[in-house]
Amino acid sequence: RKEVEQDPGPFNVPEGATVAFNCTYSNSASQSFFWYRQDCRKEPKLLMSVYSSGNEDGRFTAQLNRASQYISLLIRDSKLSDSATYLCVVNPLNTGTASKLTFGTGTRLQVTL
Amino acid sequence: NAGVTQTPKFQVLKTGQSMTLQCAQDMNHNSMYWYRQDPGMGLRLIYYSASEGTTDKGEVPNGYNVSRLNKREFSLRLESAAPSQTSVYFCASTKDDTDYEQYFGPGTRLTVT
Repeated sequence: RKEVEQDPGPFNVPEGATVAFNCTYSNSASQSFFWYRQDCRKEPKLLMSVYSSGNEDGRFTAQLNRASQYISLLIRDSKLSDSATYLCVVNPLNTGTASKLTFGTGTRLQVTL
Repeated sequence: NAGVTQTPKFQVLKTGQSMTLQCAQDMNHNSMYWYRQDPGMGLRLIYYSASEGTTDKGEVPNGYNVSRLNKREFSLRLESAAPSQTSVYFCASTKDDTDYEQYFGPGTRLTVT
């Protein structure tokens, strides 16, 4: 089983729709979780961290479910500019070491008119 | 601030040729990283430098060498390029090795024929 698994998509949604992605992780000891956004042929950029209590930033909400070992990203009122690949990132170790981050392969979102 | 810069943006090599990918950051970050990104696979860490003067292997170091030239610059060298090294290479930096927010450069697209 991969350490971090994501549905590659693409998720095709109309503008204004709500869309959610999940990401599962295999190591139950994982402590830190993040969502990065990567536009086509560009570098990844941090979108948001995922806290145990959840995290909301405008139209974006991230949740952590430790029991089922997954994190989710919910995007409300989708915009054309949300079209991108969303990378799930997990620190599988209980150490503060950025070099151990594990990146998922990403979920592609395409928002259409 | 330019953030993280990488050169070149594109490169085509023949099998057996060598080259050095350059990376520089102007954010006074201590830690720097080299990743490769291949279709269907998440970003994989090649080498990293937790601080000036130190370098360590990541998940996929074979066929590569690195130099942390100073606090700003971290280069990646391919001594004898192979077709399996065709990939997109990203350099990233963080304030230090315990900081998970990675700032990525724009990437280098390398093709080895």
